[in-house]
Amino acid sequence: EADIYQTPRYLVIGTGKKITLECSQTMGHDKMYWYQQDPGMELHLIHYSYGVNSTEKGDLSSESTVSRIRTEHFPLTLESARPSHTSQYLCASSYGHIYGYTFGSGTRLTVV
Amino acid sequence: AQSVSQHNHHVILSEAASLELGCNYSYGGTVNLFWYVQYPGQHLQLLLKYFSGDPLVKGIKGFEAEFIKSKFSFNLRKPSVQWSDTAEYFCAVPWGTDKLIFGTGTRLQVFP
Repeated sequence: EADIYQTPRYLVIGTGKKITLECSQTMGHDKMYWYQQDPGMELHLIHYSYGVNSTEKGDLSSESTVSRIRTEHFPLTLESARPSHTSQYLCASSYGHIYGYTFGSGTRLTVV
Repeated sequence: AQSVSQHNHHVILSEAASLELGCNYSYGGTVNLFWYVQYPGQHLQLLLKYFSGDPLVKGIKGFEAEFIKSKFSFNLRKPSVQWSDTAEYFCAVPWGTDKLIFGTGTRLQVFP
């Protein structure tokens, strides 16, 4: 069954550690997105990709980086985690934003 | 720039009550409109969408939404809510070439 997968589901990590949040989809979508979601706030786009070797920064400034080496894989990396990075990170994919997104289950990150 | 407003931040209802959640967007023209739902502990999923045609759109689980172009609105409705409708609801509109703009969400609690 086509789907989008995010791992880990929850992560608690110490300040200064490097982390990678995984996102993979079997939907065959070219476009992939990372959003940051905090309670009571709108979702903020932090990165997106039109396809392989394409990455763009979103509206919300983020210290994270992304890569798109394969169509189905769009990992997000934080080189040095800080408490301000504590949030929920949502990955999504789409044929195009006007068609809506399919979301993964999210990664809830806590940096202590 | 496009913005999406959801004025009801927290709604509490008893089962069988009727529901209407407001959504207004700021920029007109051709619009596609979406409602997403996030049940507790689950990922965001598409509830319904409007692309064109009949402004009254029906979605899953008995939800519907009405697009009123003159009011820049896309309100979500359900005639009789159930306890299982307890969730957070997000309105979204595409903007530019690459992203969906989300509202801040409405948290719905339904009590038996």
